[in-house]
Amino acid sequence: ELKVEQNPLFLSMQEGKNYTIYCNYSTTSDRLYWYRQDPGKSLESLFVLLSNGAVKQEGRLMASLDTKARLSTLHITAAVHDLSATYFCAAEPSFNNDMRFGAGTRLTVKP
Amino acid sequence: EPEVTQTPSHQVTQMGQEVILRCVPISNHLYFYWYRQILGQKVEFLVSFYNNEISEKSEIFDDQFSVERPDGSNFTLKIRSTKLEDSAMYFCASSPGRESSYNSPLHFGNGTRLTVT
Repeated sequence: ELKVEQNPLFLSMQEGKNYTIYCNYSTTSDRLYWYRQDPGKSLESLFVLLSNGAVKQEGRLMASLDTKARLSTLHITAAVHDLSATYFCAAEPSFNNDMRFGAGTRLTVKP
Repeated sequence: EPEVTQTPSHQVTQMGQEVILRCVPISNHLYFYWYRQILGQKVEFLVSFYNNEISEKSEIFDDQFSVERPDGSNFTLKIRSTKLEDSAMYFCASSPGRESSYNSPLHFGNGTRLTVT
């Protein structure tokens, strides 16, 4: 069974600082996703990463994928309060469409 | 932009009762999913559905659960005899498919909060 682990689970950072969230997965995966969830809300897709070395950027967020290390990172640059949310990574095995989520990283950006 | 819609937004039921959670996936999508999230916790996969049958299910999706696509638009999750531990937010999701839209994420609905008392 595919297992997905994120760290850290809780992250409190000041505005303007940089930080990275890590996502490890246990078996070969076709695709790696990052989602954002605001309290009481649904999951909003941020990035889909399909191949080794893939890097995608949107605003202050940049996601990358290393399939050999089975590792994805979500890098936050110069954080702002609006980025406060829970961020989930999710991986989908190569052999089925059973997408599994990490436990989530609850990010709080303080002024 | 098309979206996945779920009803009701909140359902309260007594233990042992049957509930049906409803979802209308995006119209040209082929894969449908149910996930659940116990408050503040992990998003857990329940089941995926393709071509009118279950394609994958997790260990959570036991005999108390069933899914159906009764017509061309709705996708339902039924819990036959609810337990207290079924209280959670249930999310429906859909995607166009693995081959035709290789780059497409799952699109999630806003969820149904199920409270079992």
